[in-house]
Amino acid sequence: GQQLNQSPQSMFIQEGEDVSMNCTSSSIFNTWLWYKQEPGEGPVLLIALYKAGELTSNGRLTAQFGITRKDSFLNISASIPSDVGIYFCAGRGAQKLVFGQGTRLTINP
Amino acid sequence: GAVVSQHPSRVICKSGTSVKIECRSLDFQATTMFWYRQFPKQSLMLMATSNEGSKATYEQGVEKDKFLINHASLTLSTLTVTSAHPEDSSFYICSASGGPFQETQYFGPGTRLLVL
Repeated sequence: GQQLNQSPQSMFIQEGEDVSMNCTSSSIFNTWLWYKQEPGEGPVLLIALYKAGELTSNGRLTAQFGITRKDSFLNISASIPSDVGIYFCAGRGAQKLVFGQGTRLTINP
Repeated sequence: GAVVSQHPSRVICKSGTSVKIECRSLDFQATTMFWYRQFPKQSLMLMATSNEGSKATYEQGVEKDKFLINHASLTLSTLTVTSAHPEDSSFYICSASGGPFQETQYFGPGTRLLVL
């Protein structure tokens, strides 16, 4: 099925570093969502974006809905060990979500 | 945010038996629920979309007679894997949207199914 292009696929960083990941699509979406998934659990919603150009923060997380409505990025500032996990972007069309392949974040203490 | 629960969290069954997984929205009315399957190290794959009181809409390639979905109330949807086989072993996750959360989806914690 359709997928978003999410990059990078994996990141290995030092604790305290900033992280940036993004998603692009050939299709327009009305809503962009960012989720975090830890092993053996369901995805947890981090940030929801509803308007093109919207920039939203949630603590150390910041995400933006691209002006073209075809892309979004997520930044994590000053990473900490509990940020480890897989981050998924998702674009919402009429009802369904289309997911990116995920970015696996590993943090070295 | 919204809370979605799933039960059971893990299930082991013998080949040929049927398994039922429940998905509940605990603090909002979920007009739509979704069922996903996730293979190791992969993204989520949508299996079907279920609107309360209606028949589920299945994605291409998903057998509706094998994966029975019922969404009888605004807080409960069930997925029944019928005549399970080892290749049905997977991580099944539900999500829900509705009410104040119409434009997002909140996910349950997932159910790990192992078919022997």
